[in-house]
Amino acid sequence: DAGITQSPRHKVTETGTPVTLRCHQTENHRYMYWYRQDPGHGLRLIHYSYGVKDTDKGEVSDGYSVSRSKTEDFLLTLESATSSQTSVYFCAIRAALAGTTDTQYFGPGTRLTVL
Amino acid sequence: SQQGEEDPQALSIQEGENATMNCSYKTSINNLQWYRQNSGRGLVHLILIRSNEREKHSGRLRVTLDTSKKSSSLLITASRAADTASYFCATDALGGGSNYKLTFGKGTLLTVNP
Repeated sequence: DAGITQSPRHKVTETGTPVTLRCHQTENHRYMYWYRQDPGHGLRLIHYSYGVKDTDKGEVSDGYSVSRSKTEDFLLTLESATSSQTSVYFCAIRAALAGTTDTQYFGPGTRLTVL
Repeated sequence: SQQGEEDPQALSIQEGENATMNCSYKTSINNLQWYRQNSGRGLVHLILIRSNEREKHSGRLRVTLDTSKKSSSLLITASRAADTASYFCATDALGGGSNYKLTFGKGTLLTVNP
């Protein structure tokens, strides 16, 4: 599982409140990614990081910010949560494991509900 | 917009049958990958095929790639009930830079009936 954990695993919050999701990895991977998964849309990239303090936007970055102050942690923040951000959020890392390259390994996901 | 689009959206078969899923994409790619997702879980990488490869095998999985048609297929042979999952293709676009971003399709839900 490439040593990826996400916290919290489930969260219910109210519209307008800030929310921070954490992705933690234990294997010193450089690249980390945040996706959201919604019915009918598959997985869509929100933000990604290519090193400490190096981040960039993905396809659906509006309303989200990220930070990476340490290699092992990649934080996703919803500054003011909206109901449209109700989703399942996945973190992933890029790794070359078992002889493969350019593959991504996913965390278990965080189910976020915004009421 | 989604780069990859899987077809069909849902597929139901009996144990022992083969399952074929297709993926079409829009732009030139470095590689195409297939992932599997069991209900309520994260995605798991299955197989990667590079743009200069036409076919690849891994156990009961066979992937083909036709870059002229911008399409790929995933064949699962002798399916088992445990193969029930959603299957996603993901593309690493050519010229996408060195940040290894993948674009995922919407997935095919495979149900294998015992």
